[in-house]
Amino acid sequence: SQKIEQNSEALNIQEGKTATLTCNYTNYSPAYLQWYRQDPGRGPVFLLLIRENEKEKRKERLKVTFDTTLKQSLFHITASQPADSATYLCALDVNTPLVFGKGTRLSVIA
Amino acid sequence: NAGVTQTPKFQVLKTGQSMTLQCAQDMNHEYMSWYRQDPGMGLRLIHYSVGAGITDQGEVPNGYNVSRSTTEDFPLRLLSAAPSQTSVYFCASSPTGRSGANVLTFGAGSRLTVL
Repeated sequence: SQKIEQNSEALNIQEGKTATLTCNYTNYSPAYLQWYRQDPGRGPVFLLLIRENEKEKRKERLKVTFDTTLKQSLFHITASQPADSATYLCALDVNTPLVFGKGTRLSVIA
Repeated sequence: NAGVTQTPKFQVLKTGQSMTLQCAQDMNHEYMSWYRQDPGMGLRLIHYSVGAGITDQGEVPNGYNVSRSTTEDFPLRLLSAAPSQTSVYFCASSPTGRSGANVLTFGAGSRLTVL
């Protein structure tokens, strides 16, 4: 069966450290992968999109990698801040519609 | 720019009642979709539409109806509410549902409780 898994439900890190979130998938061949951020009581907000032929994409303190051989995407937040605390969702773009992972809740502790 | 507007934000229903969750977008997006989000289950797609007059089922369509008579509006109808439909519902839209361009803008959500 087709699955998309994010490494853990919750991740706690110290302020200033790099947070690394993992998104693994099986039985899909997405050409694109997206990451979203969701704050409590709000809808998800788009962060980054990476194409299968891009190894890495950056936006300010965010970095995403996409390894189609490993069927994995890594999402990094460098110099993390308490304001980065949120749930982060990966989504596979396998033509309409998007398929979402369950998300990882990140807590950055001051 | 309002983006994606969902109403109501909160609703309590009794089992068997019907209601409509409204979704409107002002970005001229072709693609619109409805998700439900439950603890531990993530976002699950209910129905989606790639344009006016076209709708299709997602992963969990049972108990829900949709229509897309205009580009702007995509209402979700609960025909006979059940406690299993207690959830937070999100409407989302994108310029196009085509792969690589399907970046979603979400509404703020509608929290529904069915007693």
